[in-house]
Amino acid sequence: NAGVTQTPKFRILKIGQSMTLQCTQDMNHNYMYWYRQDPGMGLKLIYYSVGAGITDKGEVPNGYNVSRSTTEDFPLRLELAAPSQTSVYFCASSPEGYEQYFGPGTRLTVT
Amino acid sequence: GENVEQHPSTLSVQEGDSAVIKCTYSDSASNYFPWYKQELGKGPQLIIDIRSNVGEKKDQRIAVTLNKTAKHFSLHITETQPEDSAVYFCAARFNFGNEKLTFGTGTRLTIIP
Repeated sequence: NAGVTQTPKFRILKIGQSMTLQCTQDMNHNYMYWYRQDPGMGLKLIYYSVGAGITDKGEVPNGYNVSRSTTEDFPLRLELAAPSQTSVYFCASSPEGYEQYFGPGTRLTVT
Repeated sequence: GENVEQHPSTLSVQEGDSAVIKCTYSDSASNYFPWYKQELGKGPQLIIDIRSNVGEKKDQRIAVTLNKTAKHFSLHITETQPEDSAVYFCAARFNFGNEKLTFGTGTRLTIIP
């Protein structure tokens, strides 16, 4: 199993541009999560999903959107990128909503 | 909502000594407490976890203890090695249908050779 994979690894965006961060898991987990991690800080939950077709907001959802059309994929969409969205983004999955397995992260810079 | 406080924010220990990191949580209904290790440039990795019906759990050099009355839990690393240097995060999961984890702010552990 590849586990949780994220693409791209790095990205630089200009203010106002949009992009989609991809996340795929091959463990058939129902639960998936998106976090952001600012330098020297903990993990803040952006959005999560408890199964295909179901998504819900986390702690910091503003400026982001998600969809969950399949069990495997949970893309995160950034619309109108702002410097405040400069961060490292982690996707995670979980079989039952307890232990979470993280991807390697996407480092995003907005200038 | 759930709040998790983690201390200390940085910790340096001599190789071979023990390290202890402590977390407190606000919601007495929390029922799951994992610890994650994050190495530089990587995603967090689960290293040990404990559920609210257990007081202590060990896995080789790593142990976690839970005090439900005081609402705190701790990570203990014995016989520390250079590869233990990393940032460690605690987290807590609220019970009753909440599938989210609330994370602490992290502890940067440095093992001094």
